[in-house]
Order: sequence, then C-alpha cells, then structure tokens
Amino acid sequence: DAGITQSPRHKVTETGTPVTLRCHQTENHRYMYWYRQDPGHGLRLIHYSYGVKDTDKGEVSDGYSVSRSKTEDFLLTLESATSSQTSVYFCAITTDRGNYGYTFGSGTRLTVV
Amino acid sequence: AQSVAQPEDQVNVAEGNPLTVKCTYSVSGNPYLFWYVQYPNRGLQFLLKYITGDNLVKGSYGFEAEFNKSQTSFHLKKPSALVSDSALYFCAVRAVYSGGYQKVTFGIGTKLQVIP
Repeated sequence: DAGITQSPRHKVTETGTPVTLRCHQTENHRYMYWYRQDPGHGLRLIHYSYGVKDTDKGEVSDGYSVSRSKTEDFLLTLESATSSQTSVYFCAITTDRGNYGYTFGSGTRLTVV
Repeated sequence: AQSVAQPEDQVNVAEGNPLTVKCTYSVSGNPYLFWYVQYPNRGLQFLLKYITGDNLVKGSYGFEAEFNKSQTSFHLKKPSALVSDSALYFCAVRAVYSGGYQKVTFGIGTKLQVIP
C-alpha cells in the first residue's frame, strides 16, 4: 500500500514480553490509527493520533500504548503480551479525520504463544 | 450507540450475475458511509464513500452503493460480478459528535465468493 508501511509483517512472541509494532508513512498525513482485526469482530480501534505527541485511546486500548514523536511514525507497544492479543494489526492514515476514507497498511500478524 | 451491521457472513454469486452486499447502520446525526475491500494478506482498500448528495455513489472497480436514509442502509452493488471480486468487504460509518469528537465503526465483514 503506497505511502504507508508496517513492520514487522509477522511476529511470534512469548506471553509476558513487550512488543512494538511500527507504522511509517510518507504522506505527511496528520491522523494515524491502530486497529486490530479479529474474526467476528471486524476492525476495532486501539489508539489514534491527531498529531505529533497527540494521541488518544480507542475502544480496545487496555494493554496497549502508543507514541508519535514524528509525523511519519506511529508506534504501538504491547506492554506485556497476552494470548488475547494474538491478532492482525493494521495502521491507517488520513488527512481529514476520515472524511474521505482511510489508507491502510498491509498489516502485522502477531502471534503470542 | 453507533453501529454497523453486515447481516451476511458470506455471499455467493455466479460470475456475470449482479451482486449485492448488505449494510445497515445506526448513528446519531448525518452519517458518512464507506465501503472497503480486503484481499488475502492485504490491508483494506477504499472502494467508495457517501457523504452527501446523490444517493447512488459510484466507486472503484465498477462498484456502486445506494444510500437509503429511511432504511438506514448502504448496500454495495455491482451489475456483473467477476471472479477477481472475491474478497472480504467491510462497511463503515463515521459520525461527528459535539465538540468535534468523531468515531468510525466498521462492520464485521462479508466474504464475497464469485463462482466461475
């Protein structure tokens, strides 16, 4: 997906370890979002950012933290990974709070064992 | 509470036939409505949106959607399905609340299978 990359694409980690996922954009968009995708739940918002150092919680933020020190990077940290956090994580960007839709990254598949 | 319902987990359609993927929503105020498509191991891709104006919205890859305010629906349609349309489709609604707070809610997705 042009202009937005996520890393890593796949990760397996052990329960209790911290994990950081990275979202990098080259579009200079103001708004960035982290979602998780799970069967039967669709996409659920974890955290979002509306500018450098401006972040807020979404509907499923427990156990997650974020940071945005530069416009282009939005980091998602699982402070102590649990099996319930096994999921596919997507980053999304938009210029205008989503009036015209989001651009999504290709996702990170995280498995917590 | 804001919500989106996609009542069908899967829709099967023969290639060349018209397809419909259903979406209904619940939101306070005027909705912004979206459809996204997800191919295997990829992120969601924007297909089309309704913000205001004509109730029939045209989008990418020949898809269109009809906004029906009285039925609170935003069904995705295509006149002639292609095998390459097989994917997971998500409906989403965005609303803006007092103070500028905005929320986007996604449906759980509908798998479209186009049969050759």
